Amino acid sequence: GNSVTQMEGPVTLSEEAFLTINCTYTATGYPSLFWYVQYPGEGLQLLLKATKADDKGSNKGFEATYRKETTSFHLEKGSVQVSDSAVYFCALSTGRRALTFGSGTRLQVQP
Amino acid sequence: DTAVSQTPKYLVTQMGNDKSIKCEQNLGHDTMYWYKQDSKKFLKIMFSYNNKELIINETVPNRFSPKSPDKAHLNLHINSLELGDSAVYFCASSQDRRGNTEAFFGQGTRLTVV
Repeated sequence: GNSVTQMEGPVTLSEEAFLTINCTYTATGYPSLFWYVQYPGEGLQLLLKATKADDKGSNKGFEATYRKETTSFHLEKGSVQVSDSAVYFCALSTGRRALTFGSGTRLQVQP
Repeated sequence: DTAVSQTPKYLVTQMGNDKSIKCEQNLGHDTMYWYKQDSKKFLKIMFSYNNKELIINETVPNRFSPKSPDKAHLNLHINSLELGDSAVYFCASSQDRRGNTEAFFGQGTRLTVV
């Protein structure tokens, strides 16, 4: 079956620090990969996605590259802001299945 | 305009009661979902409907029954509520069933069973 593994949180960083949140996956077939973000009290919003190997998704300074050889889709940002504090979810989908989510990683950015 | 809207946002009820959560999307999407988020933030699919037809029904107690009167609405009815049903329930929709399409989420309904 499909599964997604994310690094445990919380991740606490100072403003302008470099961010990496690791994500690895197991899937049958060729999955599409996603990062969703959940701000406090809100629903999930798509942050970025990649639908095939070596694709790079990017949005709002965040990036992730679909690495088939390492089955990974790590999220990175060069300089985080306090407003980036949220819970980040890695997810995948194959064929006609609904999204399978990782456990989420809470990011806390301190001024 | 809210793309995916759920009501109510908060729901506190006693064990044994029956309650419903409503969801509507105005995006013209064909597929709608219900997800459950537990206290540790873990999200799990419960149901998926495509054009009013049930296509995913994960291992969920029979007390949970989704109802889709039309493709813009997917309501969740829960009978005989239990303490373990306390969670945040998210409705979502996507354009179609293909795995590479973005899902849009509602703001969630926090259900507390006391």
